Amino acid sequence: EVLLMESGGGLVQPGRSLRLSCTGSGFTLGDYDINWFRQAPGKGPEWVGFIRSKGHGETIEYAASVKGRFIFSRDDSKGVASLQMNSLKIEDTGVYYCSRPRSEYSGYDRYWGQGTLVTVSS
Amino acid sequence: DIQMTQSPSTLSASVGDRVVITCRASQSISTELAWYQQKPGKAPKLLIYRASTLEDGVPSRFSGSGSVTEFTLTISSLQPDDFATYYCQHYKRTFGQGTKVEI
Repeated sequence: EVLLMESGGGLVQPGRSLRLSCTGSGFTLGDYDINWFRQAPGKGPEWVGFIRSKGHGETIEYAASVKGRFIFSRDDSKGVASLQMNSLKIEDTGVYYCSRPRSEYSGYDRYWGQGTLVTVSS
Repeated sequence: DIQMTQSPSTLSASVGDRVVITCRASQSISTELAWYQQKPGKAPKLLIYRASTLEDGVPSRFSGSGSVTEFTLTISSLQPDDFATYYCQHYKRTFGQGTKVEI
């Protein structure tokens, strides 16, 4: 069974940093792009960015709202993708999801984690 | 950036109704569109990809159509489990603002 699990969320003050992890099981994480989304309370999902697989050149893209502050990485040997969030702002508050496409050659995300809540507040 | 606009924002319907949700892209996206269903406290669930391809395991009462900038999600006969919020998404990126289907 394909599973994704986010961890690392919590309460953090504005300006501080937080690192989220996305652990995959039931598949070889290295074969897939990993996408990140977030969802503020009462709002729709917002694309944060993605890190593509080695087979896709490990290309990285960030949404404009997080570019320069967030950093994606992956350790395929451990089956873990990470999101380093720096200079956090109140508007970064939300549930953060990692997701995986339905196949190695698709960009449509069938598999999602359960999400981890990040609250940025003083 | 390409913007995705859904209508309506809220839709009141009854079991058995035919429901149509519209998504409009700010510029051409060919058929690079997905539809998701989301229930409170849960991650989005992929229903349709490439504008009209039904994801494995999704009931056939769901269908998608459209291309370029205009897309629709149709539920042919609304079931109790279908009351949820629906989102369109431009391939790997921007979501629409959502359509809540309520009783």
